[in-house]
Amino acid sequence: QKEVEQNSGPLSVPEGAIASLNCTYSDRGSQSFFWYRQYSGKSPELIMFIYSNGDKEDGRFTAQLNKASQYVSLLIRDSQPSDSATYLCAVSTSGGSYIPTFGRGTSLIVHP
Amino acid sequence: EAGVTQSPTHLIKTRGQQATLRCSPISGHTSVYWYQQALGLGLQFLLWYDEGEERNRGNFPPRFSGRQFPNYSSELNVNALELEDSALYLCASSLPGQGARTQYFGPGTRLTVL
Repeated sequence: QKEVEQNSGPLSVPEGAIASLNCTYSDRGSQSFFWYRQYSGKSPELIMFIYSNGDKEDGRFTAQLNKASQYVSLLIRDSQPSDSATYLCAVSTSGGSYIPTFGRGTSLIVHP
Repeated sequence: EAGVTQSPTHLIKTRGQQATLRCSPISGHTSVYWYQQALGLGLQFLLWYDEGEERNRGNFPPRFSGRQFPNYSSELNVNALELEDSALYLCASSLPGQGARTQYFGPGTRLTVL
């Protein structure tokens, strides 16, 4: 069974700090990795995806992938109170299946 | 551009009844995915439809079923409702062949089973 593990948190960081969210996955055949942000009472929103080992940056967000360690992370620089949300990690394999397996999410609280 | 829409927003049913949830994808998106988000369990994949066909199914009993119409909208049916079916049901759509890379979620339908 494919599993995606995340620390449920909450992760509390001060405004302006770097928030680091981590995710591990069990399926070594995984090839696509996604981060979603979900505000309370809202639906998930895709914010980053990464396929290759290394870092991918988009604005204040950086996704890091290490396939050997089966580990993917999301860094949020200059965290803002508006970043307070639950962050979902999702992983999928190729081969015609585009169904991502989701972790349960990490709650992030950015306090002023 | 309009996003993914779902109806109804809230649905209250009693145990044993049937529920029908509806989803309209973003224009140009042919794939529709259904997920269940129950409290404390995270997002669980239910069904994937593409070009009118069921392409994949999650680990849910057969009383969860659905279909996709020629206009790519979709319907999720849950028969013989049980208390544990109470959850947020999310629909997502994506471009052909793009999967989660272009997956956008609708606002969800909150199903409460009493």
